[in-house]
Amino acid sequence: AQKITQTQPGMFVQEKEAVTLDCTYDTSDQSYGLFWYKQPSSGEMIFLIYQGSYDEQNATEGRYSLNFQKARKSANLVISASQLGDSAMYFCAMREGGRWRGAQKLVFGQGTRLTINP
Amino acid sequence: EAGVAQSPRYKIIEKRQSVAFWCNPISGHATLYWYQQILGQGPKLLIQFQNNGVVDDSQLPKDRFSAERLKGVDSTLKIQPAKLEDSAVYLCASSLTQGTSSYEQYFGPGTRLTVT
Repeated sequence: AQKITQTQPGMFVQEKEAVTLDCTYDTSDQSYGLFWYKQPSSGEMIFLIYQGSYDEQNATEGRYSLNFQKARKSANLVISASQLGDSAMYFCAMREGGRWRGAQKLVFGQGTRLTINP
Repeated sequence: EAGVAQSPRYKIIEKRQSVAFWCNPISGHATLYWYQQILGQGPKLLIQFQNNGVVDDSQLPKDRFSAERLKGVDSTLKIQPAKLEDSAVYLCASSLTQGTSSYEQYFGPGTRLTVT
């Protein structure tokens, strides 16, 4: 069963507008973590933001915020005031809880290609 | 702080040939991961090391893929013999095992493999 679902293959947004990238997940664990990574055309994966399942507040990092709705199992990424440099692939990923928190693999979604238009 | 280093950045080989990729993680990171990213998909974990021991290799095609991390620092991933479907970007990542709540993984630039 697919654990991370990103339903938007592509998004086109005007510069300076806010954009929401969708992510839903499936897990039976109580302890898990959700990540968003950005992958520009150069190929490297850049960490953006993290949300733990027990975190009470939605995570924020500069222009990035994570809209975490635990009951709906969604972890949408919100980018405020988009910039041309935000054009890239964006991946949602989940780390599930387990016996050894420090050595847990990430499961990635299919990604969303975001294009910012001037 | 130096990031995760990978080499080569690009490799083109013919099917049935062998190829090896190298990764040097961030200093002090005990956990090292190899991911395969096929075009248009998210990365998929191939193998995960904790120091020099294998934690998870459940998705590694062991008939043709092998990986080692002998001294618990750098690692090599080998494919022998390569198939056309092995064409992908191979990403190496590393993380701390303690000290941060997120256990964020830091990725290298990747090696783009083309099998013809």
